Amino acid sequence: KQEVTQIPAALSVPEGENLVLNCSFTDSAIYNLQWFRQDPGKGLTSLLLIQSSQREQTSGRLNASLDKSSGRSTLYIAASQPGDSATYLCAVRQITYSGAGSYQLTFGKGTKLSVIP
Amino acid sequence: NAGVTQTPKFQVLKTGQSMTLQCAQDMNHEYMSWYRQDPGMGLRLIHYSVGAGITDQGEVPNGYNVSRSTTEDFPLRLLSAAPSQTSVYFCASSSSTPFEGYTFGSGTRLTVV
Repeated sequence: KQEVTQIPAALSVPEGENLVLNCSFTDSAIYNLQWFRQDPGKGLTSLLLIQSSQREQTSGRLNASLDKSSGRSTLYIAASQPGDSATYLCAVRQITYSGAGSYQLTFGKGTKLSVIP
Repeated sequence: NAGVTQTPKFQVLKTGQSMTLQCAQDMNHEYMSWYRQDPGMGLRLIHYSVGAGITDQGEVPNGYNVSRSTTEDFPLRLLSAAPSQTSVYFCASSSSTPFEGYTFGSGTRLTVV
């Protein structure tokens, strides 16, 4: 069974710092990995989708990398701002032909980021 | 483009009551699914659908029913609410290709007392 782990569970940094959030998964047979942002009491906003054949994806100050063979992804946030404070979730979409299989996203439990002004 | 719309945003139920959580998407997505989010448990799949008329169970289906009569709508029914169903519920949709990402609704926060 696919398991997704995000470390650390919480992170506090001063404004302006560059930071890295980590995501690891146990089964490398995936279609893609998606990073989401969740603000308190709100829904999930998709930040980046990285396919299994890709090494990285970039959007503005965000850069996601994927090393499928080692089961790891990182989300790099450059020049952090207080508005980046949120919980960041990673989720993988698995290649499988049984049950909910490839229709299901398997989520990590998230990293809660606080950017201090 | 509204994306995925969930109603209501908040709901309080008494134990034993029934209700339907609504989900609609306007992106012509074939795949729709329901997740629940609980502290310390992350998001878990309840039910999913790969098209109109086709639904199946996810990881935690007990106590919930779904149906999909149209591409746009995927309601989640709680038959007899229990305190263990207190959670935040998210509806999500995706196109039929596994290389597309999922779009999530804003969630329904349900409390069962």
